[in-house]
Amino acid sequence: EAQVTQNPRYLITVTGKKLTVTCSQNMNHEYMSWYRQDPGLGLRQIYYSMNVEVTDKGDVPEGYKVSRKEKRNFPLILESPSPNQTSLYFCASSINRGKTGELFFGEGSRLTVL
Amino acid sequence: SQQGEEDPQALSIQEGENATMNCSYKTSINNLQWYRQNSGRGLVHLILIRSNEREKHSGRLRVTLDTSKKSSSLLITASRAADTASYFCATTRSNDYKLSFGAGTTVTVRA
Repeated sequence: EAQVTQNPRYLITVTGKKLTVTCSQNMNHEYMSWYRQDPGLGLRQIYYSMNVEVTDKGDVPEGYKVSRKEKRNFPLILESPSPNQTSLYFCASSINRGKTGELFFGEGSRLTVL
Repeated sequence: SQQGEEDPQALSIQEGENATMNCSYKTSINNLQWYRQNSGRGLVHLILIRSNEREKHSGRLRVTLDTSKKSSSLLITASRAADTASYFCATTRSNDYKLSFGAGTTVTVRA
């Protein structure tokens, strides 16, 4: 089954404790992206990757890091989480960026930073 | 920054009625998509309309695009309780293929 898998789905952590949210897709998609969703703000892009070893900042990259060492995986790293990073995070993938368009989303990771 | 803005923010209708929501955007686009999000779940792609298309249908969904007004509408006909969800438009900018989402319309279908 074609899917984007995120882990963990729920996480409560404390300020400053490094964490990684994993994302894996099984559709051989070139394009992967991370979004955060906050009430009233819709989805805002954090980072995206056009292909292996190619990553770029989205609209709200501060406080986040990513890597794309393999085509299927695109982890999101919070080196020193702060309470303003409490949010619902989504990973998404696509065959390519924009031209065919359809994004496939994971089920989301709800992060709370105390 | 948000490229697409949905209107209304929230919509409550009776089962069987039609639901219409609109999306306006600011810059030239390559395509516009609509997504559905059930509470607490990931977004699911519904339909994509390209900039050279004016109308598209998929089941009970009808999407229109007016590039001169920089706006799109999503019509859900004969709504069902299962259509209760948030609906988002997403635009792909022509110049750099950047995909941006609006804040969404929350639709509640009452039984």
